[in-house]
Amino acid sequence: GEDVEQSLFLSVREGDSSVINCTYTDSSSTYLYWYKQEPGAGLQLLTYIFSNMDMKQDQRLTVLLNKKDKHLSLRIADTQTGDSAIYFCAEKGGGFKTIFGAGTRLFVKA
Amino acid sequence: GAVVSQHPSWVICKSGTSVKIECRSLDFQATTMFWYRQFPKQSLMLMATSNEGSKATYEQGVEKDKFLINHASLTLSTLTVTSAHPEDSSFYICSATPGEGNTDTQYFGPGTRLTVL
Repeated sequence: GEDVEQSLFLSVREGDSSVINCTYTDSSSTYLYWYKQEPGAGLQLLTYIFSNMDMKQDQRLTVLLNKKDKHLSLRIADTQTGDSAIYFCAEKGGGFKTIFGAGTRLFVKA
Repeated sequence: GAVVSQHPSWVICKSGTSVKIECRSLDFQATTMFWYRQFPKQSLMLMATSNEGSKATYEQGVEKDKFLINHASLTLSTLTVTSAHPEDSSFYICSATPGEGNTDTQYFGPGTRLTVL
């Protein structure tokens, strides 16, 4: 079945870059997403990438997609304390459902 | 744009009572809405998919008589947890997509924290 995996924790210092990695299994994925969840809140869409793209940049965010290896990453440049949150990778394949990873907790140390 | 609201944001109820949670798309019409449940430090578990004017499609293992979903209009879906028990305590999140098809991104509500005593 479809599966999305992420590492559970990442800790960085303020000002450094953060890289959150994700792997997925559905080779028919059309869209891949990154969502951010702050404590006690819903999910906020950060960015998404079409499966026929390799890279997408949006201000401090850079998404890299290696479709051959089914690997997605999110790079946050100049990470700030306000970036501390849970980041969910998600993919939408041939079906109607979006499959979410377990989320990566990003801790930013001042 | 693409704002989704949920009400209430939190609710505490006694065991055996029913609780209704509303999900509204504020600035777009949502053909499809999704209901998720999230346990602490875990990912989202899709409970059901609802399309306006039709019955919801429930995921395997989700009791449709326990979790009643009504998608009465293009901007409102409700989830009613009937005869709630402490094990139903969770964070419930809805999402909505602006149109049909596989390409639409889901926009999430802020979630509703349900605590059943």
